[in-house]
Amino acid sequence: NAGVTQTPKFQVLKTGQSMTLQCAQDMNHNSMYWYRQDPGMGLRLIYYSASEGTTDKGEVPNGYNVSRLNKREFSLRLESAAPSQTSVYFCASSLLAGMPGELFFGEGSRLTVL
Amino acid sequence: AQSVTQPDIHITVSEGASLELRCNYSYGATPYLFWYVQSPGQGLQLLLKYFSGDTLVQGIKGFEAEFKRSQSSFNLRKPSVHWSDAAEYFCAVGLSGNTPLVFGKGTRLSVIA
Repeated sequence: NAGVTQTPKFQVLKTGQSMTLQCAQDMNHNSMYWYRQDPGMGLRLIYYSASEGTTDKGEVPNGYNVSRLNKREFSLRLESAAPSQTSVYFCASSLLAGMPGELFFGEGSRLTVL
Repeated sequence: AQSVTQPDIHITVSEGASLELRCNYSYGATPYLFWYVQSPGQGLQLLLKYFSGDTLVQGIKGFEAEFKRSQSSFNLRKPSVHWSDAAEYFCAVGLSGNTPLVFGKGTRLSVIA
């Protein structure tokens, strides 16, 4: 059981470079999420997709774009990376965005922007 | 504004001692409540959840949590901590409808011999 798979696990970028974080889930979940985790800040929601074909902004969407490619996949793109985007990124999925919506998390992608 | 507060940033307990991690929320209605645990270098794993009914809920790894409506709290407890419980713990809150969970900032638990 793979669950939620994120790639890459580690990435170093220079300021201004672009990259895409990939996320795929094999649990037939409807909703998918991207969070970032920073020391002392907990998890903050960047974007989410309540169902295939929809995406919505979370708490910290600036500097990011997302694509819900299909039901399984939800990617996060940084068009012009900034040092402030150095963080650990987590993808998660749930059966429904509404309750009872237990989240299942990937193992995280550690991004460093120099 | 809606919020989730974990007042303790870092707690250290001795192995075998009891543990209580605090979580308070500020929502207009009774939300759905969760505790997650994150081991170093890992993603988050659900420990337990409260939706309705009995206010004392049991979770995995010997954890339990009690919902107290009057205090807007959902504190996590464990009677006897093991070294493997050292991790970061997150309280999360959600409302019905199409809204994602909101997480507290986390409490890091250290366990000493």
